[in-house]
Amino acid sequence: NAGVMQNPRHLVRRRGQEARLRCSPMKGHSHVYWYRQLPEEGLKFMVYLQKENIIDESGMPKERFSAEFPKEGPSILRIQQVVRGDSAAYFCASSPQGPYGYTFGSGTRLTVV
Amino acid sequence: DQQVKQNSPSLSVQEGRISILNCDYTNSMFDYFLWYKKYPAEGPTFLISISSIKDKNEDGRFTVFLNKSAKHLSLHIVPSQPGDSAVYFCAASVIQGAQKLVFGQGTRLTINP
Repeated sequence: NAGVMQNPRHLVRRRGQEARLRCSPMKGHSHVYWYRQLPEEGLKFMVYLQKENIIDESGMPKERFSAEFPKEGPSILRIQQVVRGDSAAYFCASSPQGPYGYTFGSGTRLTVV
Repeated sequence: DQQVKQNSPSLSVQEGRISILNCDYTNSMFDYFLWYKKYPAEGPTFLISISSIKDKNEDGRFTVFLNKSAKHLSLHIVPSQPGDSAVYFCAASVIQGAQKLVFGQGTRLTINP
């Protein structure tokens, strides 16, 4: 029973490039959440998706960031024109229903150089 | 606007003794609370949760206490073991609401032999 799978584990991008982070939820989980953790801080909610729908994107920066969870395939968090301040650990979580059974992936560590 | 606060960035406890980690919240709408444990370069791992209809929940060495009037919760680990050394995050949610988790900043627990 595979957990939440995130790839890549580490991603290095130059300023101005695009970053694509992938998340495959646990089998049977239809709710996907993305969180960001800046150094020495807690996790901050970014976006909540169900299949083909964005339910809550109140934590997403207004520009350059987008997320999707297509009918087939993993959820994607996309950051366009990355800047140094985007360097962080990005965690995906999935659940079968709301905060119950919330399971996190191992994260993608994005470094912008 | 820090709705969930962990005021102790670090805590050092001797092996075999009790570890007590504290968390305060400001949003009275929160009705479900969780504790996560996180090792470096890994995602948060769920430890224990409590609903606002309870004031205590126990699971093995871990007990969570909730004081709704004080908007305070605590995690007790007894006896503490070296493998408990990690960063601990408390998180809060509104069950019927947005379903996102609001995290505290974390407390780094070190268990000394």
